[in-house]
Order: sequence, then structure tokens, then C-alpha cells
Amino acid sequence: GQQLNQSPQSMFIQEGEDVSMNCTSSSIFNTWLWYKQDPGEGPVLLIALYKAGELTSNGRLTAQFGITRKDSFLNISASIPSDVGIYFCAGAPLFNFGNEKLTFGTGTRLTIIP
Amino acid sequence: DTGVSQDPRHKITKRGQNVTFRCDPISEHNRLYWYRQTLGQGPEFLTYFQNEAQLEKSRLLSDRFSAERPKGSFSTLEIQRTEQGDSAMYLCASSLYSGSSLYFGAGTRLSVL
Repeated sequence: GQQLNQSPQSMFIQEGEDVSMNCTSSSIFNTWLWYKQDPGEGPVLLIALYKAGELTSNGRLTAQFGITRKDSFLNISASIPSDVGIYFCAGAPLFNFGNEKLTFGTGTRLTIIP
Repeated sequence: DTGVSQDPRHKITKRGQNVTFRCDPISEHNRLYWYRQTLGQGPEFLTYFQNEAQLEKSRLLSDRFSAERPKGSFSTLEIQRTEQGDSAMYLCASSLYSGSSLYFGAGTRLSVL
């Protein structure tokens, strides 16, 4: 099935650094979501975006819904060890009212170097 | 713990055997979803229910896959005649209503030998 393109695929950073990742699609979405997945667990919702151009924060996390509706960005400021994990973007189709049939990205694996 | 519960957490089976997984959603959620996640990939949508009605099943991977939610509460996902390519994490999620956030369970990891 279709997967959204996420970049970078992996990141190795030091504690305290800021992190930026993005997600692009060839299709338009009406909802963009960002999830974090820890090993052996299911994805946990971090931020939801419902409007083109929207900028939303959740603590040290900030995400933006791209104007074209084909991309989204996630920034993490001042990273800490518990930020380690895999981050996934997900989009819901333009004409799909709800969040059914989410299309997920390929993931960005974040590692913090001691 | 009142989150989404999946059972078993791990399943090892031989090729050709049938397997069934169970998902208990958050109690007041009327929507339930099944996703599959293979190694190194994001989750892939399979099917979903509103109460006991299965509203989308065209994304089920083959006719060997079937899902039920008979009383609108827990759901089961069955894979018949398993193949090695079925090895994956099977995730269940629930939401309160259409458009509300999905909450995922920890998944059932299937290994087909």
C-alpha cells in the first residue's frame, strides 16, 4: 500500500539538540497526524493538524500542516533521552470525513548519542 | 489500564495454520480499526468497524484475512492458511467517533515459520 515519504530516515543527535523532520505526499490530505512508536508498543498520537497552514505545539513539539496539503513538518526542541523512538506521520484522505484509513509514513528513527 | 488491549502479544505459528487475534477497544469507543505493520514500515490500514458493522474491508490483504466485531465491543482478526509473508505486527486501534483520535494497542506480533 501507499506510504508517505518521511525524511530523514534516521537521525543521530546529542541531547539538547533540536530536531526537524518532514513528510511529503503526492496526494492531498485533510488531516495530518504525528505519532511516536517505542519498541514493542503501538503508535501514540503526539499532534493532530486539521487545517492547511496550521501550526500546533504540544510541549517541546511543534508541527505544521503544509499550505499545499501535501506535506507536514515536526520539530522537537531541546531533545531529551525519552524522545528516542520512531516518529511517523499519517494523513487522512481529502474526502474522508474521519480518520479512517490513515496512510502512514515510512518513519524517522531518532537516536540520542550520549 | 483502560487502553486498547490486544491478545496475544506474540504468536508463532507454522505455515498453513490458522491464527486468530483479539482486540478489546477502549470501552466507550464505537470505532475499531485493524492495521498491519511490517518491519521498518509504518502501519498499513486493513479494515474498520463502527459498532458491529464492518465499513471497509477492501484493504484486507487477501481472502485469507477476515475480521469480526459481533457485539460491537471486542474484535477478532483471523488469518487462514498462514504464509511466511503474513509475519508482521498486527495493530488494533479505537476511536470514540469518526474524526476523533485513534488510540493504538501494543499489537500482536505474528511470526510464521
